[in-house]
Amino acid sequence: GAGVSQSPRYKVAKRGQDVALRCDPISGHVSLFWYQQALGQGPEFLTYFQNEAQLDKSGLPSDRFFAERPEGSVSTLKIQRTQQEDSAVYLCASSIPQAGIYEQFFGPGTRLTVL
Amino acid sequence: AQSVAQPEDQVNVAEGNPLTVKCTYSVSGNPYLFWYVQYPNRGLQFLLKYITGDNLVKGSYGFEAEFNKSQTSFHLKKPSALVSDSALYFCGGEGSNDYKLSFGAGTTVTVRA
Repeated sequence: GAGVSQSPRYKVAKRGQDVALRCDPISGHVSLFWYQQALGQGPEFLTYFQNEAQLDKSGLPSDRFFAERPEGSVSTLKIQRTQQEDSAVYLCASSIPQAGIYEQFFGPGTRLTVL
Repeated sequence: AQSVAQPEDQVNVAEGNPLTVKCTYSVSGNPYLFWYVQYPNRGLQFLLKYITGDNLVKGSYGFEAEFNKSQTSFHLKKPSALVSDSALYFCGGEGSNDYKLSFGAGTTVTVRA
């Protein structure tokens, strides 16, 4: 595709509900990142994939957060038993051919609101 | 740990005047520095990057940034601001042996007509 796409764009969840956020990176991009952007803040790193391998998940805030990229393209960020503090915009980014000096291309984000 | 700071929450300028958005960094090794712009309900759009070489980097939409190693700064500049430049700007950085971008808190730029 022309850019990174994310779905849904908006998600409202009741506290305790599980949610799944999808990211479609730019075709051929090896690296994929997830970031969390709280209101009024800059994006914070969550996790990083190189192809299907999750090389870094140090930014995931708790074990309720889980990400996967089974075939090295589409990625899903899953949040179990959502809490109000999970409310944020979740951004996905991809880059080629490997992370580092190549700029990351960001999707529009998924705005998650937990009631 | 890598960190990036944007000391100003807001910058207000009149159209046609110079625009500067400040950024300082603390990264290990040689820093890789980026500027992104975010419009409402949109993702971050890449503006420019510094990897190595000339300290003055030119980017999209007439923006440029100056890398200053002694002051550990990477300020974004535009000689003549447009109303359409009004947006949220983020500075990001990573170390040469890293891949994770650390972002500043963002600076809201308002350009008045």
